[in-house]
Amino acid sequence: AQSVTQPDIHITVSEGASLELRCNYSYGATPYLFWYVQSPGQGLQLLLKYFSGDTLVQGIKGFEAEFKRSQSSFNLRKPSVHWSDAAEYFCAVGRGTNAGKSTFGDGTTLTVKP
Amino acid sequence: DTGVSQDPRHKITKRGQNVTFRCDPISEHNRLYWYRQTLGQGPEFLTYFQNEAQLEKSRLLSDRFSAERPKGSFSTLEIQRTEQGDSAMYLCASSLAAGEDYGYTFGSGTRLTVV
Repeated sequence: AQSVTQPDIHITVSEGASLELRCNYSYGATPYLFWYVQSPGQGLQLLLKYFSGDTLVQGIKGFEAEFKRSQSSFNLRKPSVHWSDAAEYFCAVGRGTNAGKSTFGDGTTLTVKP
Repeated sequence: DTGVSQDPRHKITKRGQNVTFRCDPISEHNRLYWYRQTLGQGPEFLTYFQNEAQLEKSRLLSDRFSAERPKGSFSTLEIQRTEQGDSAMYLCASSLAAGEDYGYTFGSGTRLTVV
């Protein structure tokens, strides 16, 4: 069975500081990995995804993530955080484009200090 | 393209009543998914369709839950005899079945409160 662990429930960073959100996954084959962002009371928005190839993927809003197979990780990074980045972030793993279902972690809430 | 639409945004119902939610996906997306999200948790998979066929249903989903996508376009999720434990945000998402553009587009959700 596939699973996702986001070790940090809540992270606080200062505006302009760098950010790294951790994600560890468990899956027996090559995973399809995603990061989504959710603002309060809203649905989730896809930030970026990894299917294959280059292990460093770029997404929207200046985010990037690095796939490390040896560590079963897919950490999300941003070099300089903006106040508007405050939200909840979810990592997800899928069985592949033809299998449909994704499994989500429980999320990391990001607070940005002025 | 107006994105994924869900209706209603909020629903308050009395325990034991039936409720139905609607989801209109992005028109060219042939996959449609239902997830449930409770406070402090990530979305939990309920079921998904490819066109009108329901391809997978979570084993966690009780028989009180049923979903349809009759013409391969919009979908409905019905909960019969609601219980307080059904209170949650119900999220709909759609996607293409495969390819480089694969990834969910979520609606804003329907928040259900069972009193």
